[in-house]
Amino acid sequence: QLQLQESGPGLVKPSETLSLTCTVSGGSISSSSYSWGWIRQPPGKGLEWIGSLYYSGNTYYNPSLKSRVIISVDTSKNQFSLKVRSVTAADTAVYYCARQIAVAGANWFDPWGQGTLVTVSS
Amino acid sequence: DIQMTQSPSSLSASVGDRVTITCRASQSIRSYLNWYQQKPGKAPKLLIFAASSLQSGVPSRFSGSGSGTDFTLTISSLQPEDFATYYCQQSYSTPYNFGQGTKLEIK
Repeated sequence: QLQLQESGPGLVKPSETLSLTCTVSGGSISSSSYSWGWIRQPPGKGLEWIGSLYYSGNTYYNPSLKSRVIISVDTSKNQFSLKVRSVTAADTAVYYCARQIAVAGANWFDPWGQGTLVTVSS
Repeated sequence: DIQMTQSPSSLSASVGDRVTITCRASQSIRSYLNWYQQKPGKAPKLLIFAASSLQSGVPSRFSGSGSGTDFTLTISSLQPEDFATYYCQQSYSTPYNFGQGTKLEIK
């Protein structure tokens, strides 16, 4: 059974770079059948798609964050990563990683990691 | 960007009730619509993908319908474990926006 686990600092200072890693177990991140995504949720609020790394190697980002975000993969470690630079308090959120499944043009996220809270504060 | 609007934002219901949650897209998204359930402190869980396909392991009391701009999630007979927040999400085009959520509470 595929499982995902986020890891990284829980506290980041304003203007610095948020860095998170998602470790995939129970399956290969290199599978051509799947892509991988990051989603976040500010405390008490809804879900926001951050971006996705497709099996083709292409990445797509939410325009609201695009200039600050990089998603990359390390196949040797079965991990993919998220970096958000120049963070502010508005980036405080629970960050989730998820497998993205695509079939006949439809995409959905399943399963999700348990999430990790990142607080931006000095 | 495609905006997703759910209604209602909150809903009170009793065990055994039939409940319907609506999601409307700002433009046609064909059948590229997913539904997730989230319980407090937990990650979202996929219920329905491609508008009407039930994810493996999800009880059959959950169903989805719709296409184009209007979609519904129906729970045929509410169970105690169904009280949670529900989100729709479009996958027609990036950014893959979510609805604002519908909180289902016990009456």
